Amino acid sequence: DTAVSQTPKYLVTQMGNDKSIKCEQNLGHDTMYWYKQDSKKFLKIMFSYNNKELIINETVPNRFSPKSPDKAHLNLHINSLELGDSAVYFCASGQAISGNTIYFGEGSWLTVV
Amino acid sequence: AQSVTQLGSHVSVSEGALVLLRCNYSSSVPPYLFWYVQYPNQGLQLLLKYTTGATLVKGINGFEAEFKKSETSFHLTKPSAHMSDAAEYFCAVSGENTGFQKLVFGTGTRLLVSP
Repeated sequence: DTAVSQTPKYLVTQMGNDKSIKCEQNLGHDTMYWYKQDSKKFLKIMFSYNNKELIINETVPNRFSPKSPDKAHLNLHINSLELGDSAVYFCASGQAISGNTIYFGEGSWLTVV
Repeated sequence: AQSVTQLGSHVSVSEGALVLLRCNYSSSVPPYLFWYVQYPNQGLQLLLKYTTGATLVKGINGFEAEFKKSETSFHLTKPSAHMSDAAEYFCAVSGENTGFQKLVFGTGTRLLVSP
């Protein structure tokens, strides 16, 4: 009965490869997010989708392309992976009302070698 | 623009001692404030949040925080630390009145608990 689930949890890949991380939420929320946590544990929002529409794009390189087939899913595709992309990527969801709680997934640990 | 500052990247306490993790915010509008906890190799879990109303907010696992507008602070406390409290704690702010949540996180504070 996991609320926000993302796969894979761990991913090791070579530079230049393309990879995807999938996310699903069963909370009935209308808004989903991708956050990136770097090696210093700093968390920053990358994207947000509301009812399948992109509403936040925080100057992320266009090698990163989110896709939301429906409001319960938000996938992240990364092209031409670079060493600097190594990080933990968190999917999250919430209802689009200020002050509402945002629920996070368990994270996907991406290592680019 | 909204931001939060967490003083102290590491805080060490003994088991049973008071836990105090500091968070100061800057916001041009009334903020919504959150504390999340991250255990090793896990996601973020909400401890508590302040939106409106009572300024002393109680959360899970015995934690509480007080919103002090005059000090622009939202410090997290727990009267007695337990070994299981060892984790990374993040303060976050939102409230741009956009109707959409955009959490801005602090840099985190690692809580170390010794026996």
